[in-house]
Amino acid sequence: AQSVTQLGSHVSVSEGALVLLRCNYSSSVPPYLFWYVQYPNQGLQLLLKYTTGATLVKGINGFEAEFKKSETSFHLTKPSAHMSDAAEYFCAVSLGGSARQLTFGSGTQLTVLP
Amino acid sequence: NAGVTQTPKFQVLKTGQSMTLQCAQDMNHEYMSWYRQDPGMGLRLIHYSVGAGITDQGEVPNGYNVSRSTTEDFPLRLLSAAPSQTSVYFCASGNLGGYTFGSGTRLTVV
Repeated sequence: AQSVTQLGSHVSVSEGALVLLRCNYSSSVPPYLFWYVQYPNQGLQLLLKYTTGATLVKGINGFEAEFKKSETSFHLTKPSAHMSDAAEYFCAVSLGGSARQLTFGSGTQLTVLP
Repeated sequence: NAGVTQTPKFQVLKTGQSMTLQCAQDMNHEYMSWYRQDPGMGLRLIHYSVGAGITDQGEVPNGYNVSRSTTEDFPLRLLSAAPSQTSVYFCASGNLGGYTFGSGTRLTVV
């Protein structure tokens, strides 16, 4: 079984400041990890994913995340926040193979202050 | 445009009524799934399918049925709606490279 914990249900940053959204996972096998973003009244959009290979993955809109096996973490970062980044962010884990279903964290609402 | 199409976008049901939420994808994905989203709980898996004719239960399957007669379609049936099923429902399809989500169905059961 797998699980995901997102630390901080609400995060506020100033425009231009670093964005750091935390995600820790639990998995019995090497996981596949995802970050999704949800804008108000919309579906989920894939930001980035880690499956195998390079542990630092870059996604859309300037976001990146680093898979750290020793810390069982997959934190999402962006060097400089923009007002348009305000949204809810979800971390998700999959075991891969035949167990492709995603398990989601509870989400982090990001507010960007002017 | 390619993607996942969900209908309807909004629905109000009375307790005890039944209905079907439709989901269709045109990307030829074998894997499809249904989630419900409730405040503070993220998305929880209801049912999923790894191909036509194959379905399985997720984390919260009670009160819901699914079938997968074609690769493209994966409808979700509420047999007897209850207020606890008030939620936003998302359909997704994809593979290990990522999953594409529909825009959701907001369901209210009164």
